[in-house]
Amino acid sequence: ELKVEQNPLFLSMQEGKNYTIYCNYSTTSDRLYWYRQDPGKSLESLFVLLSNGAVKQEGRLMASLDTKARLSTLHITAAVHDLSATYFCALNTNAGKSTFGDGTTLTVKP
Amino acid sequence: ETGVTQSPTHLIKTRGQQVTLRCSSQSGHNTVSWYQQALGQGPQFIFQYYREEENGRGNFPPRFSGLQFPNYSSELNVNALELDDSALYLCASSPDGGGTDTQYFGPGTRLTVL
Repeated sequence: ELKVEQNPLFLSMQEGKNYTIYCNYSTTSDRLYWYRQDPGKSLESLFVLLSNGAVKQEGRLMASLDTKARLSTLHITAAVHDLSATYFCALNTNAGKSTFGDGTTLTVKP
Repeated sequence: ETGVTQSPTHLIKTRGQQVTLRCSSQSGHNTVSWYQQALGQGPQFIFQYYREEENGRGNFPPRFSGLQFPNYSSELNVNALELDDSALYLCASSPDGGGTDTQYFGPGTRLTVL
């Protein structure tokens, strides 16, 4: 059974600082997704990573994928308050089932 | 805005009752997936439909059932509600059959079972 583990689960950081969220998974998968969820809201797709070594960037967020290590990272550069949210990584199996991590709740303080 | 809508927004039921949640996918999206998200947890995959046929199921009992219609709408039905069914229910649509494309999530239905 595919397992997806994120760490840390909670992250409090100051504005302007950098940090990385880690997503480890237990079986091979060729598609990894990162989502953002604001409190009480639905999920917003951030990135789709399709192959080993893939790197995608949007604003202050950069995601990467290492399929050999079964690891994806979401790097936050110079955090701002608007980035406060819960971030999920998820993988699809060939059956189309998505397995999500438990999420990382990020709080950015002034 | 993803173009995926869900109704109702909130719902309160009592144990043992039955509930139907509805989702309207983006036009042209043949795949719809349903997820249950308990408070403080990641979404859990319930099942997926492709062109009106079930195309994968997670670890949920048979009292969770679904339907997909030709007009890109779908339903999640839950019978014999239990307290643990209280959660946010999300549907997500995607355009291809394997569910490997980006999923577009609806706003969710918050179900409370008393």
